[in-house]
Amino acid sequence: DVKVTQSSRYLVKRTGEKVFLECVQDMDHENMFWYRQDPGLGLRLIYFSYDVKMKEKGDIPEGYSVSREKKERFSLILESASTNQTSMYLCASSLGGTTYEQYFGPGTRLTVT
Amino acid sequence: DAKTTQPPSMDCAEGRAANLPCNHSTISGNEYVYWYRQIHSQGPQYIIHGLKNNETNEMASLIITEDRKSSTLILPHATLRDTAVYYCIVRVVGYGGSQGNLIFGKGTKLSVKP
Repeated sequence: DVKVTQSSRYLVKRTGEKVFLECVQDMDHENMFWYRQDPGLGLRLIYFSYDVKMKEKGDIPEGYSVSREKKERFSLILESASTNQTSMYLCASSLGGTTYEQYFGPGTRLTVT
Repeated sequence: DAKTTQPPSMDCAEGRAANLPCNHSTISGNEYVYWYRQIHSQGPQYIIHGLKNNETNEMASLIITEDRKSSTLILPHATLRDTAVYYCIVRVVGYGGSQGNLIFGKGTKLSVKP
C-alpha cells in the first residue's frame, strides 16, 4: 500500500514563526502536492512538484514556499506564519502524469496564535 | 471553481446501495471523472475513476451517462464506515503543469444510518 506520512498531526505556532511541514511518501511517486482545507472552501492547491527540485504554484501560493530535494520528501514552508494560515494541511503524491490517483496523508492541523 | 455539481447531503440505510449523483455538464472530451471520499479527520481517499465506460472495483461502481454529462457512484452495500464526504472531480488528461490538479468542490456528505 502507498503510504504518505506527514510530520505532525497537530501543530501550534505563534505569529511570525517560520514553520516547516514535512511530507514523505514511500512509493517512488514523481508527483507531490500540498493542499490546505478550510470549512466551506474545500481543498485548495498550494504548490505541487512533478520532479526533484521542480515546483509549480497552485491556486494559493502566497505566503508559502516549498522544497523538494529528494524524490520522497516534499516540504511546505511558512516563512512567517500568520493567523489566516490556521488550517488543515494535506500532502498527496501520485505517479507521473495526470491520470493517476493521488494518495493523501493524514493531514496536519496547524493553529497559528 | 469545481466543474461538478453534487447534492450537499444524502442518507442511506446500512446494507443498502448508496447512489451518489454528480453533474458535470461542461466536461470536455479529455477529462476523466474521479471520485474521492474523506472520512472525518482523515485525508481524502481515492475511490474510482473513468472516462466514458462504466467502471467497477472492490470499493464501488461508476456509471457515466452516454453523453458524459453526469455520473453516479454506487456503493453496493453501504456500511457505517462509508459515512464520509464524497467528492466528484473532473480532471484533464495530460502530463505535468497544472493540468493534473484535483479541484475539490464541496462534495456530498453521505450519512449511513443503522
